[in-house]
Amino acid sequence: EPEVTQTPSHQVTQMGQEVILRCVPISNHLYFYWYRQILGQKVEFLVSFYNNEISEKSEIFDDQFSVERPDGSNFTLKIRSTKLEDSAMYFCASRTSGSLYNEQFFGPGTRLTVL
Amino acid sequence: AQSVTQLDSQVPVFEEAPVELRCNYSSSVSVYLFWYVQYPNQGLQLLLKYLSGSTLVKGINGFEAEFNKSQTSFHLRKPSVHISDTAEYFCAVTPSGAGSYQLTFGKGTKLSVIP
Repeated sequence: EPEVTQTPSHQVTQMGQEVILRCVPISNHLYFYWYRQILGQKVEFLVSFYNNEISEKSEIFDDQFSVERPDGSNFTLKIRSTKLEDSAMYFCASRTSGSLYNEQFFGPGTRLTVL
Repeated sequence: AQSVTQLDSQVPVFEEAPVELRCNYSSSVSVYLFWYVQYPNQGLQLLLKYLSGSTLVKGINGFEAEFNKSQTSFHLRKPSVHISDTAEYFCAVTPSGAGSYQLTFGKGTKLSVIP
C-alpha cells in the first residue's frame, strides 16, 4: 500500500542552524501539507502546497519557514534559523487534488529537537 | 476559523468495556469531521470521517461516531475495546467548501486499555 515517508525520523540541531525536513508524498497526490505537534500540544497546520506554490499558510509559518518541491518526488520543509520553540514533531501529509474532499495521508513524522 | 475541543486528555478503560471519546467543535461555516488515531511512533491514521448524509458513521477497527449538529459534537465510540486500541485519538475538522482542506485538530485523547 502506498504511504507517505519522512526523513530523518529524528533530527537534533543547535539553535540558529538551518534544517531541512524531507517528505516523499504518495506518487499520484498533488496536494501537500506540513503540520507540527509540540510535545503535549495539538497538531497544528503549517502550510499547504499545490501546483508548485503555497495555497494556504498559518500564522506559525513565518519567514523562517519555506517549502519546496525540488523534484517530482520530494517535498521539503526548511527552517532557516531554528529556535528552541521549533522543537516539535513535524508531519507531512498528501492527498489527491479535486474540489471534493479526499483523505489526507500522513507520514510517520520527524522529531526535531533544537538545543 | 474553527476550533476543536477534546475534553478528556486521558481515558483509561478495561478491556472489553465500552468507551466514548468526546469531541466538540466550533465553526462559523459547515465542516467535515474526522477522527484520527496515532499509535506509538507512527503517523496519523484516519479512523472515520463525516462528510454528509447519515449522522452515524462507521470506521475501521469497530469504531463509530455520531455527528450532532445542534450540540456541535462528534463523539467516538466503541462497544468493546481491545488492548490493541491503546493509542492517542485526535478529532479534526475542515471547512466543507472548496479549498486546501487544511485540518484543525483537537489536543488528543490518550486511550489506555487495561487488561
